[in-house]
Amino acid sequence: QKEVEQNSGPLSVPEGAIASLNCTYSDRVSQSFFWYRQYSGKSPELIMSIYSNGDKEDGRFTAQLNKASQYVSLLIRDSQPSDSATYLCAVTTSEKLVFGKGTKLTVNP
Amino acid sequence: GAGVSQSPRYKVAKRGQDVALRCDPISGHVSLFWYQQALGQGPEFLTYFQNEAQLDKSGLPSDRFFAERPEGSVSTLKIQRTQQEDSAVYLCASSLHEGTAYEQYFGPGTRLTVT
Repeated sequence: QKEVEQNSGPLSVPEGAIASLNCTYSDRVSQSFFWYRQYSGKSPELIMSIYSNGDKEDGRFTAQLNKASQYVSLLIRDSQPSDSATYLCAVTTSEKLVFGKGTKLTVNP
Repeated sequence: GAGVSQSPRYKVAKRGQDVALRCDPISGHVSLFWYQQALGQGPEFLTYFQNEAQLDKSGLPSDRFFAERPEGSVSTLKIQRTQQEDSAVYLCASSLHEGTAYEQYFGPGTRLTVT
């Protein structure tokens, strides 16, 4: 089992909709969780960090963490075409930051 | 303020050549990380520095890969006798705090192509 798993997508949503991105991880003692956005040909850009169970909101983004289920998600409200990118979930495990393969999101105008 | 910078942005090397990739972290950032990203994959950890100390090099794929950060600021990733499988984007990230539990900020990467 891979340490961090994401659906590769592509996930396609209409403009203005809520995009929901999901991630599961295998290491029960993981403590730090991050979402990065990566545009094609660019480097990863940190958009959210979450450390405790529950929801964390920042503008149109909400990160949700459930350590019991080993699940972390990212919701993007009022999706815009500029949100079209690959979203990488990253989890600190065994003193390393481990990334999933990413979910490609397309927001259609 | 200035972010993480990397140079060169693109590098083409013939198989067997040595290459050196440079990373300038955000000023004052204690931790520095190198990652390798293949097409369609997430970044894979290579090595970690806390100031000038290389605390983890378990991700380096072979002894042809070597990294240093002699003064606790700029870091260089060196690849000797490059092979085609070394073709990838090499990303550097830095973090204000010690360890891997905190936010890491990435540079633009160096795209290495080995022909």
